[in-house]
Amino acid sequence: DGGITQSPKYLFRKEGQNVTLSCEQNLNHDAMYWYRQDPGQGLRLIYYSQIVNDFQKGDIAEGYSVSREKKESFPLTVTSAQKNPTAFYLCASSIILWAGVSGELFFGEGSRLTVL
Amino acid sequence: QQPVQSPQAVILREGEDAVINCSSSKALYSVHWYRQKHGEAPIFLMILLKGGEQKGHDKISASFNEKKQQSSLYLTASQLSYSGTYFCGTEKSGANNLFFGTGTRLTVIP
Repeated sequence: DGGITQSPKYLFRKEGQNVTLSCEQNLNHDAMYWYRQDPGQGLRLIYYSQIVNDFQKGDIAEGYSVSREKKESFPLTVTSAQKNPTAFYLCASSIILWAGVSGELFFGEGSRLTVL
Repeated sequence: QQPVQSPQAVILREGEDAVINCSSSKALYSVHWYRQKHGEAPIFLMILLKGGEQKGHDKISASFNEKKQQSSLYLTASQLSYSGTYFCGTEKSGANNLFFGTGTRLTVIP
């Protein structure tokens, strides 16, 4: 079955530690995205990538890093510089319809990070 | 760059209609609409493109006025299954990214 797989589903981390959230897709989509979801704040864009080895910052990139070495994979690292990392993280992918337009976003099941 | 949605929450009885609005301060090229149920990933409803498009999906339809930088989602004859949080996502030209609003929580009661 085609889709997006995020792991782990739940993650606990101590302050000062970096953690990496995995996102893999087998939909052959060019574009991939990371969003953070907090209660009452909707989905906020962290990073997005349109092509391998290239990515751009979204609204809240500070304290996060990403890589796009393979088309299928777009891991997100939450660094110790992120001051309030406890949140629900969603990865998504889409085709690119044409320059400037994303197709339907397909979302993973999400990863819930809690900092202790 | 988040679009603004209104209302923030709405409660309907089965069979009633609702309108959810989405507006942006930036020029838009496309608008997406998604619904998310509690504890689940958002699910795609529709995309509207520049050109004043209007689309329908069963009893859910939407319009997009790029001059006003606004989109509206129309839910008619609501069903219990329509409950959830609705998000609009907006894109600027050439960006290939999608910024979402803060969501509208819709609750349909019997």
